[in-house]
Amino acid sequence: GAVVSQHPSRVICKSGTSVKIECRSLDFQATTMFWYRQFPKQSLMLMATSNEGSKATYEQGVEKDKFLINHASLTLSTLTVTSAHPEDSSFYICSASPVGDDEQFFGPGTRLTVL
Amino acid sequence: RKEVEQDPGPFNVPEGATVAFNCTYSNSASQSFFWYRQDCRKEPKLLMSVYSSGNEDGRFTAQLNRASQYISLLIRDSKLSDSATYLCVVIPGGSYIPTFGRGTSLIVHP
Repeated sequence: GAVVSQHPSRVICKSGTSVKIECRSLDFQATTMFWYRQFPKQSLMLMATSNEGSKATYEQGVEKDKFLINHASLTLSTLTVTSAHPEDSSFYICSASPVGDDEQFFGPGTRLTVL
Repeated sequence: RKEVEQDPGPFNVPEGATVAFNCTYSNSASQSFFWYRQDCRKEPKLLMSVYSSGNEDGRFTAQLNRASQYISLLIRDSKLSDSATYLCVVIPGGSYIPTFGRGTSLIVHP
């Protein structure tokens, strides 16, 4: 199957700093990638849809100025958590699917801890 | 009504048991359906797609009931390693955005 990578896998930062998370499709091109957040023992929550070459589409309640998404190429989307606070600590996961395929391939996730 | 609903469980079953989960969806035009498995602190991984005719993969059987708008997952001869959260994913009609259920937790005990 297709492979999606995420980097970093784990990050610990101080409150007020910004953190960038990368999501790459390694063996396919993805015009669309999805970013999710998952708090402990809760379900995956879609944050935004990342569209290559255009602005991301954010879900209701997700601040676009706080969670900056850039999809600069067909294999890379980045999520930047700006001015992170402890309540932003979560498991952030991206997914993508090859063109014409509905199956979502997930990255391994990034565990963010904000002190 | 939520777009995709699942009983969160947990379903606590002994090894060797047969267990079934259902997932209901609200968009009657939905076209694509999947079951994913998520282990604790890991990303979801595709377990199986759900086809209109139903499909089987070893101990796992998935079925789609369009009339009642639900999909099901049947696990036979449960193993300890089946313990995980099972996520139902639906691609609503007219959309390419996957919609996740909250997941059903399965615990298989000796």
